[in-house]
Amino acid sequence: AQSVAQPEDQVNVAEGNPLTVKCTYSVSGNPYLFWYVQYPNRGLQFLLKYITGDNLVKGSYGFEAEFNKSQTSFHLKKPSALVSDSALYFCAVRDGDDYKLSFGAGTTVTVRA
Amino acid sequence: ETGVTQTPRHLVMGMTNKKSLKCEQHLGHNAMYWYKQSAKKPLELMFVYSLEERVENNSVPSRFSPECPNSSHLFLHLHTLQPEDSALYLCASSPSWVGGHEQFFGPGTRLTVL
Repeated sequence: AQSVAQPEDQVNVAEGNPLTVKCTYSVSGNPYLFWYVQYPNRGLQFLLKYITGDNLVKGSYGFEAEFNKSQTSFHLKKPSALVSDSALYFCAVRDGDDYKLSFGAGTTVTVRA
Repeated sequence: ETGVTQTPRHLVMGMTNKKSLKCEQHLGHNAMYWYKQSAKKPLELMFVYSLEERVENNSVPSRFSPECPNSSHLFLHLHTLQPEDSALYLCASSPSWVGGHEQFFGPGTRLTVL
């Protein structure tokens, strides 16, 4: 069985400050991990993924995420947040042996000017 | 239009109506998916198709009926829905239904069942 948890429903930061969105996962095999962003009235947009290799993954719009196997975490980070980063962020996991992609409940990020 | 498109973007229907949602992907992918997104809940996978063959039906009620006539098109036929079926229905595609491929999502259809 696979699952993913996003412990924070909301994250509020000031523009220019670092942004972190937390994600923890549980799989029985090797994880494939993904981050997506959803703007109002839009579908999900892919940001980045971890499949194998370097634990630090860089993605779109200046986002990055670090895979931590011992802590089973895949937190999303951005060094300097923008007001335009305000959106709903989803973490997702797939067990390498499974086809199903499981999503977290989402974290609403608000960046204030 | 590029990527994954969905029509209509908004749909209001009565409980006795029959309607269909359409999805088209222009990415040459082999797998297509239907998801249901309800407020404050994780996305729920409804159906998965690989090369027009259904590979998963996640215990979805029979009032939802998918159709995949070819690898570029996916439909979701709706009949005798309930108010709790009101949600955003998202279509997605990926190069394959297994492996580390990301999924590409359409903008969704906002469905309201009266």
